[in-house]
Amino acid sequence: DAGITQSPRHKVTETGTPVTLRCHQTENHRYMYWYRQDPGHGLRLIHYSYGVKDTDKGEVSDGYSVSRSKTEDFLLTLESATSSQTSVYFCAISEVRTLTYEQYFGPGTRLTVT
Amino acid sequence: QQQVKQSPQSLIVQKGGISIINCAYENTAFDYFPWYQQFPGKGPALLIAIRPDVSEKKEGRFTISFNKSAKQFSLHIMDSQPGDSATYFCAAKVGGNEKLTFGTGTRLTIIP
Repeated sequence: DAGITQSPRHKVTETGTPVTLRCHQTENHRYMYWYRQDPGHGLRLIHYSYGVKDTDKGEVSDGYSVSRSKTEDFLLTLESATSSQTSVYFCAISEVRTLTYEQYFGPGTRLTVT
Repeated sequence: QQQVKQSPQSLIVQKGGISIINCAYENTAFDYFPWYQQFPGKGPALLIAIRPDVSEKKEGRFTISFNKSAKQFSLHIMDSQPGDSATYFCAAKVGGNEKLTFGTGTRLTIIP
């Protein structure tokens, strides 16, 4: 998985609790992304980062916040988890290249909110 | 608002047959069209990609066909094998923008 780890890999939490998911990369790529994957919706971008402390919203950012204090780490926080946030969360990384473009994905975190 | 529409949602193909997955887009600023392959329990991985200056790109058994005027592109898997059983996502990207817009995915099953 291109030097990307996600933790935890599985988590069950209760409605209303805060949850933080971590993405760690060893590739020194500039861009990092958080997606959620749900049946019938494909991969939807939550937030992304284009550098340390530089982040922006994706298409489904409500209820989520992110932070990036180091190049290698990108944190996703569910401020107050809801059942609608039960999903599989993927982190991805990319770097600016002139001829090719590829996002590399981590192994995913399965989150269940009860 | 879904900018990349993918069909079918699921597909069953006999071993040795041709699998075809279609995508259509609306944003004419898209200039890069990748396909990602995802196996159960894994993250998606880039399979093949095309830019709109060519109408077809082939890598082994996998071919992307691109129709700029119709704003459509498709993935063809020739001689489909059970190991090709996976979920496939099309995607699109605007030049200078580092974000991908994904289709909703196609679950492909190859039966013996």
